[in-house]
Amino acid sequence: SQQGEEDPQALSIQEGENATMNCSYKTSINNLQWYRQNSGRGLVHLILIRSNEREKHSGRLRVTLDTSKKSSSLLITASRAADTASYFCATDATMDTGRRALTFGSGTRLQVQP
Amino acid sequence: EPEVTQTPSHQVTQMGQEVILRCVPISNHLYFYWYRQILGQKVEFLVSFYNNEISEKSEIFDDQFSVERPDGSNFTLKIRSTKLEDSAMYFCASSDGRGSNQPQHFGDGTRLSIL
Repeated sequence: SQQGEEDPQALSIQEGENATMNCSYKTSINNLQWYRQNSGRGLVHLILIRSNEREKHSGRLRVTLDTSKKSSSLLITASRAADTASYFCATDATMDTGRRALTFGSGTRLQVQP
Repeated sequence: EPEVTQTPSHQVTQMGQEVILRCVPISNHLYFYWYRQILGQKVEFLVSFYNNEISEKSEIFDDQFSVERPDGSNFTLKIRSTKLEDSAMYFCASSDGRGSNQPQHFGDGTRLSIL
């Protein structure tokens, strides 16, 4: 099973609507991060939520974390065409090997129609 | 805002050849990372580097891979004898704290194509 899986895989909405993306993971985490990737570009850090936090806001972004369900959600309110991108959750966790690293999910491709 | 820069943006190399991917992390950052993303797949961790040595590496980072910080600004990833399956986007990242709840800042990547 994979650490950090987003759903839906793809989401198409109209400008002005809200977009919600979900992420589930398997192991205990230190923190969970959301990144955005525009086509052909690198990953841009959006928001980090620590394992002892439940909700965090940044501008039009709202992230929740439920460690009992091992899940997180990213809400983008009042979406804009410029929000069109792929969104990834990444878990910062210590693996069975003792290694600590970011593990990325497969991403949600968001298309915002103008 | 400071950025992580990577060169080249696209590298085409014959199978079996050595390739060096270059990165200039953000200047006051202390932790450096390489990731790769095969087309259509997830971003995968390769290696992290701190204090002039590898701190963690994944199963992907075998003997064909090496990293180096040759001077105070560059951070390089070398693949000694490239294989077709090394074709991917390679991303460099840096942060000012390892696992101390600090975000990683990514470059735009190098697209490596092995022929």
